[in-house]
Amino acid sequence: EAQVTQNPRYLITVTGKKLTVTCSQNMNHEYMSWYRQDPGLGLRQIYYSMNVEVTDKGDVPEGYKVSRKEKRNFPLILESPSPNQTSLYFCASSFRGNQPQHFGDGTRLSIL
Amino acid sequence: EDQVTQSPEALRLQEGESSSLNCSYTVSGLRGLFWYRQDPGKGPEFLFTLYSAGEEKEKERLKATLTKKESFLHITAPKPEDSATYLCAVLLRAQKLVFGQGTRLTINP
Repeated sequence: EAQVTQNPRYLITVTGKKLTVTCSQNMNHEYMSWYRQDPGLGLRQIYYSMNVEVTDKGDVPEGYKVSRKEKRNFPLILESPSPNQTSLYFCASSFRGNQPQHFGDGTRLSIL
Repeated sequence: EDQVTQSPEALRLQEGESSSLNCSYTVSGLRGLFWYRQDPGKGPEFLFTLYSAGEEKEKERLKATLTKKESFLHITAPKPEDSATYLCAVLLRAQKLVFGQGTRLTINP
């Protein structure tokens, strides 16, 4: 089954404790992206990657890091999480950036 | 600044009552527009892609249209299972995607 898999689905942690949210897709997609979704603000793009070893900033990259060492994986790293990063995060992928994206089911992060 | 605005924020309809959702945008260099549906606790699910003004796409009770300034998602004779949040997103240069805030649609039986 074609899918985008995020882990964990839920996480409660504390300020400053580094965390990684993994994202994996099994569709051989070149393009992958991370979004955060907040009430009243909609989905906002954090980082995206057009291919292996190619990443670029979206609208809200501050406080986040990404890497794309393999085509299927695109982890999101919060080196020193803060409470304002409490949000619902989505990973998505597509064959190319100008094509519809498939989304994972989301990761709900709470930073205390 | 690139901006995408959806209206209304929320819409409540009776089953069978047709209506339209609006997505207006002020962007430079539109490359395309996507419509998604999002159910509670799930990621957005793709519905339509529109690439040029005048284009229309249709699927079951949904029809999407595009002009130079806005897109509409028309819902004809909706059913309760059409209840969801509908998102539009504009594709810009360098493959950047900007989403609107969504319209929460509720269809009462």
